[in-house]
Amino acid sequence: KAGVTQTPRYLIKTRGQQVTLSCSPISGHRSVSWYQQTPGQGLQFLFEYFSETQRNKGNFPGRFSGRQFSNSRSEMNVSTLELGDSALYLCASSSTGGVSTDTQYFGPGTRLTVL
Amino acid sequence: GENVEQHPSTLSVQEGDSAVIKCTYSDSASNYFPWYKQELGKRPQLIIDIRSNVGEKKDQRIAVTLNKTAKHFSLHITETQPEDSAVYFCAASWGGGADGLTFGKGTHLIIQP
Repeated sequence: KAGVTQTPRYLIKTRGQQVTLSCSPISGHRSVSWYQQTPGQGLQFLFEYFSETQRNKGNFPGRFSGRQFSNSRSEMNVSTLELGDSALYLCASSSTGGVSTDTQYFGPGTRLTVL
Repeated sequence: GENVEQHPSTLSVQEGDSAVIKCTYSDSASNYFPWYKQELGKRPQLIIDIRSNVGEKKDQRIAVTLNKTAKHFSLHITETQPEDSAVYFCAASWGGGADGLTFGKGTHLIIQP
């Protein structure tokens, strides 16, 4: 099976702009989670989608949003970019996201640089 | 919410020696504890995980132990090799996937030749 893919791999934006990142999960996986990775804060949970519904959200401002499509592909959007949003954005997919936590498989990430 | 502390932040060991990384968590409801390895410029990859109904799990040179009473879990790597050099992250989750994984800050493991 193909792994989790993310596009684009690299992005450079300026403050105030908005950005959309895309994630395609492993075929058959219905749960997609998003994480932000920075040297200072490490890996932090943004939100998780399952069957097109956001089930939980981490401690991030409303500028960070996402959605999931019927084919389980997910996008996240960051509006009004700030310098501090520069980070590696990782998505991870798991098979069911059911009662028992399933293994999460990570994509290669999108490196966002805000100037 | 859940809080995961990981120690040490950097660990240097001689090739062939063992390495131990420790994590503590705060939420007693957490029941899933994965460990990820991340090499420079690459994605985190799961190396081993343990669920709360098990006290220890082993996979070749890697083992994880869990003490639910004390709320800590540890990663043990024996007979370390140069390719073990990477950053290792522990994580905790209470289940259902909806809560996401709460990660420790990571341990940079350096294998000295």
